[in-house]
Amino acid sequence: EAGVAQSPRYKIIEKRQSVAFWCNPISGHATLYWYQQILGQGPKLLIQFQNNGVVDDSQLPKDRFSAERLKGVDSTLKIQPAKLEDSAVYLCASRSLEKAFFGQGTRLTVV
Amino acid sequence: AQSVTQLDSQVPVFEEAPVELRCNYSSSVSVYLFWYVQYPNQGLQLLLKYLSGSTLVKGINGFEAEFNKSQTSFHLRKPSVHISDTAEYFCARGPGGFKTIFGAGTRLFVKA
Repeated sequence: EAGVAQSPRYKIIEKRQSVAFWCNPISGHATLYWYQQILGQGPKLLIQFQNNGVVDDSQLPKDRFSAERLKGVDSTLKIQPAKLEDSAVYLCASRSLEKAFFGQGTRLTVV
Repeated sequence: AQSVTQLDSQVPVFEEAPVELRCNYSSSVSVYLFWYVQYPNQGLQLLLKYLSGSTLVKGINGFEAEFNKSQTSFHLRKPSVHISDTAEYFCARGPGGFKTIFGAGTRLFVKA
């Protein structure tokens, strides 16, 4: 089956700029996640969608981060404005039963 | 709070030697445990998972892990590693729902 697609693969922005990441999950997967993976740490869940509804966004810094999944398929994650500490890999994942499939991630560098 | 602790940040090993990557989790009534591998510039891939049943779980690429409830451990093992096993390995747990908590990762270096 086709995997989870993410774009762009890499992004470099200056602090206080805005950035958006896109994720296309595996077809038919109702559950979608966004993770933040800072260098040297394990992935941290930012937000979980079930179809187009938010299930858990307790660790999403809502003052600057937002995410949507309007039609229950593709999702976008936005950071506005970005800070230096937002430099990380942003992973998207979708789930079938107990198994999660991860995309390759978007590596964000904030300078 | 539920947590996952990977005891080694880096593990260097020679090719064809055995390896063990250690993982401990905070105790819970029910726990699902996973090992994921992340090769350079790739997303996470599932190696194996423990949901219930046999405590010895076999995964892909010759890896296996043993669930030890008394020691709250889920160590990953491979009897003979290859250069291609060089990657970062993440232990993770699920509480029975969809949320997964990851450890900090262990970087495995396999040397010729």
